[in-house]
Amino acid sequence: AQSVTQPDIHITVSEGASLELRCNYSYGATPYLFWYVQSPGQGLQLLLKYFSGDTLVQGIKGFEAEFKRSQSSFNLRKPSVHWSDAGEYFCAVYYGGSQGNLIFGKGTKLSVKP
Amino acid sequence: SQTIHQWPATLVQPVGSPLSLECTVEGTSNPNLYWYRQAAGRGLQLLFYSVGIGQISSEVPQNLSASRPQDRQFILSSKKLLLSDSGFYLCARDRGSDYGYTFGSGTRLTVV
Repeated sequence: AQSVTQPDIHITVSEGASLELRCNYSYGATPYLFWYVQSPGQGLQLLLKYFSGDTLVQGIKGFEAEFKRSQSSFNLRKPSVHWSDAGEYFCAVYYGGSQGNLIFGKGTKLSVKP
Repeated sequence: SQTIHQWPATLVQPVGSPLSLECTVEGTSNPNLYWYRQAAGRGLQLLFYSVGIGQISSEVPQNLSASRPQDRQFILSSKKLLLSDSGFYLCARDRGSDYGYTFGSGTRLTVV
């Protein structure tokens, strides 16, 4: 069965420090992968997506993610975190079907220390 | 534009009262529409999805129901709210060939 695992529930980093959020997926075919961010009390905003091609994808707000098929991973990175990056981050995999569903991980909450 | 309008933004309702949350979407016609609930520490739970007018699929048996009376309108309802219905409710639509979803800004429901 398809699944998405985000092993870190809560991460705290200092402003200006680097960030890596982990995501592992289980899916039999070539996955379509996404990262979303949710600011407190808001909906989800798409950061970036991977469909095919270059395994390092660039997104908005200075984020990037690397797809590693051998590790079934799609980790999100940012070299220097800003206070406004605080929020909850969700990894998701698209598994198709007539309903076009995404499967989401349980999310990683990011706190940023000044 | 793939904008999604959700209202109200915040709602406090007593136990046993009815509920109606409305979501309207812009953009391409005949979108797939979704209702998610987000409870503290439990991630995103898919409640309902709809592939067309009058077509509703339920993912989780519960106290809630959904309807799609028009192509771009998706309504989440309850006849009698329970305390456990509290949470953050998100409406979403598919992005067609883009595969991802666009989300509304959500409704914070507190049942007291």
